[in-house]
Amino acid sequence: RKEVEQDPGPFNVPEGATVAFNCTYSNSASQSFFWYRQDCRKEPKLLMSVYSSGNEDGRFTAQLNRASQYISLLIRDSKLSDSATYLCVVSPSGTYKYIFGTGTRLKVLA
Amino acid sequence: DAGVIQSPRHEVTEMGQEVTLRCKPISGHNSLFWYRQTMMRGLELLIYFNNNVPIDDSGMPEDRFSAKMPNASFSTLKIQPSEPRDSAVYFCASSFLDRGYGYTFGSGTRLTVV
Repeated sequence: RKEVEQDPGPFNVPEGATVAFNCTYSNSASQSFFWYRQDCRKEPKLLMSVYSSGNEDGRFTAQLNRASQYISLLIRDSKLSDSATYLCVVSPSGTYKYIFGTGTRLKVLA
Repeated sequence: DAGVIQSPRHEVTEMGQEVTLRCKPISGHNSLFWYRQTMMRGLELLIYFNNNVPIDDSGMPEDRFSAKMPNASFSTLKIQPSEPRDSAVYFCASSFLDRGYGYTFGSGTRLTVV
């Protein structure tokens, strides 16, 4: 089983739609969680950290469910510019390594 | 801040040649990470340094790969000899650990071994 698993997509959604991605992780001792965004042929960029209580940044909401070992990302009112690959990142406890999922591809359609 | 700077941006080399990738982390960051990204395997951590010391190199594929960080502002990843299966995008990232801010990535080096 992979340490971090994501549905590769693509998710094709119309502008203005709400879309959600989930990501599961295998190491129950994982301590830090992030979502990164990667545009085609570019480097990954930090989108947001994921906190135990859940957190929101504008149209983006991240949630952590430790019991079921998954994190989620919700995007409201999708924009064309949201089209990208979204990478789930988990950092096991006791290390500073970041384990990346293979990403979920989102296409927002006009 | 100039961000994480990697060079070269693109490298095409023949099988068997030595390849050296370079990285300058963000000033003040105390940790540096080398990742490799392919379509099949996604982003894989090769090695990371904390305060210039290699902490975990378990992701380095084999002895053909080596990495150094002689000072806080420079790191190299060397492949010798290179093989076609090494073709990938190699990213360097830096961070100030203990602050949980996440990594900042460089623009990557796209390596093609023919």
